[in-house]
Amino acid sequence: QSVLTQPPSVSAAPGQKVTISCSGSSSNIGNNYVSWYQRLPGAAPKLLIYDNNKRPSGIPDRLSGSKSGTSATLGITGLQTGDEADYYCGTWDSSLSAEVFGGGTKLTVL
Amino acid sequence: QLQLQESGPGLVKPSETLSLTCTVSGGSISGSNYYWGWVRQPPGKGLEWIGNIYYSGTTYYHPSLKSRATISVDTSKKQFSLKLRYVTAADASVYYCVRRVTTVTTSWFDTWGQGTLVTVSS
Repeated sequence: QSVLTQPPSVSAAPGQKVTISCSGSSSNIGNNYVSWYQRLPGAAPKLLIYDNNKRPSGIPDRLSGSKSGTSATLGITGLQTGDEADYYCGTWDSSLSAEVFGGGTKLTVL
Repeated sequence: QLQLQESGPGLVKPSETLSLTCTVSGGSISGSNYYWGWVRQPPGKGLEWIGNIYYSGTTYYHPSLKSRATISVDTSKKQFSLKLRYVTAADASVYYCVRRVTTVTTSWFDTWGQGTLVTVSS
C-alpha cells in the first residue's frame, strides 16, 4: 500500500482536460512540497511538476499542479494521445523520514 | 545534459546481495544541492524510494530498507552504488538511479536513469 493515494485510472477524450488527485496526510502533503512524475510506456519517469506547481524547463503550460491541505492535484489540458502514461505524485514524509510516492494513475486518452 | 545509467546483474539468487552501479555523465556528481539515490518499482506496483547519498558520503535510507541497504559513492569515477543484502522475491523490481535536488525546504527527483530490471530467482 502506498502512503499517498491516487486513483488507479482516469480517462478523457483528446483535447479535453483531466485532473489526477493525490491524497495524503499532515505528515507528508500537508507540510511538504509535492512533485509529479510521468512514466511513458517503456520509459523512465520524468519530472513534470515540483514545489507543488512549478514546471521544469521544457514542460508545457498545459500541465499544472496545485495543493490544498493534505491533497494535491495534477491537471492536464488539451489532452493528446502522447499523454497516455502513468502519473505519480511524490513528497517527503516527516513522520517516516522518507520520500513517499502515490501508487500511480494510468491516464487513457480515448 | 545530465544522464544516469544503471548497470549490474539482472538476476540475483534469494538470500544473496543485489549490487547495482549508476554512472553519471554530462554533469558533476559534487554539486552542493544534489543527492544521488535509488528508487525501485516492483511489477505492477508504485514507486518506492530506497535511499540517497551526498557526494561527501552522507546517506539517508527508507526505514524499511535501512538494515539491508548500503549506498556508496565514488566521486573520481562519477559513480554511486547500491547494495541490498538478503534479497527475496519481494525485492524483484525495476531499479532506477536518480538525482534528487534538495534545498532547505524542498526536494524533488529531476533526473532518472532508464532503469534496470532485477529478478530474484534461484
